[in-house]
Amino acid sequence: AQTVTQSQPEMSVQEAETVTLSCTYDTSESDYYLFWYKQPPSRQMILVIRQEAYKQQNATENRFSVNFQKAAKSFSLKISDSQLGDAAMYFCAPLTSGNTGKLIFGQGTTLQVKP
Amino acid sequence: DTGVSQDPRHKITKRGQNVTFRCDPISEHNRLYWYRQTLGQGPEFLTYFQNEAQLEKSRLLSDRFSAERPKGSFSTLEIQRTEQGDSAMYLCASVLGEGNTEAFFGQGTRLTVV
Repeated sequence: AQTVTQSQPEMSVQEAETVTLSCTYDTSESDYYLFWYKQPPSRQMILVIRQEAYKQQNATENRFSVNFQKAAKSFSLKISDSQLGDAAMYFCAPLTSGNTGKLIFGQGTTLQVKP
Repeated sequence: DTGVSQDPRHKITKRGQNVTFRCDPISEHNRLYWYRQTLGQGPEFLTYFQNEAQLEKSRLLSDRFSAERPKGSFSTLEIQRTEQGDSAMYLCASVLGEGNTEAFFGQGTRLTVV
């Protein structure tokens, strides 16, 4: 079974600074996707960034980038130039193979952005 | 298209009562998922539909839980004889189809069992 570990329950960053959220996972599959989802308070979860495991190049989406270490099964999210709107709970989630497409979520990291 | 819609947003019920939640996915999304999220935790998978067929159910989905997607469009999740442990946020997500990976989530239904 897949497991996902986010070891930082809470993180804090100063506005305009950079913060990195960590995630490790365990899977026996060789081809899969990894996601970071953001869940703002009282709002729906949205996709932040996606990484395909077969791609060596780390995904980047504007201020968001990942550091994907396949051998180490590590998938961290870096947020540059943090903004107040980045405050939310962030979830790391691998996508299982097969046809179901269900997500396995980590415990989440609550990010606070200080003005 | 207004995204994934869930109704109601909040539900308070007495222990032992039955409750039903509704999810309207993004139109033309043929995959639909239900997740349960307790406070401060990540969502946990409950069940998955491809069109009207329920293809996977988690062990978390006890026999008091039933989900349907009768015409492959909206879905309902019913909990019978609710227990305090059922108190959680119930999230619905939809995906366009096979080959697509991005899940679009609704705002959830928060259930409180008193």
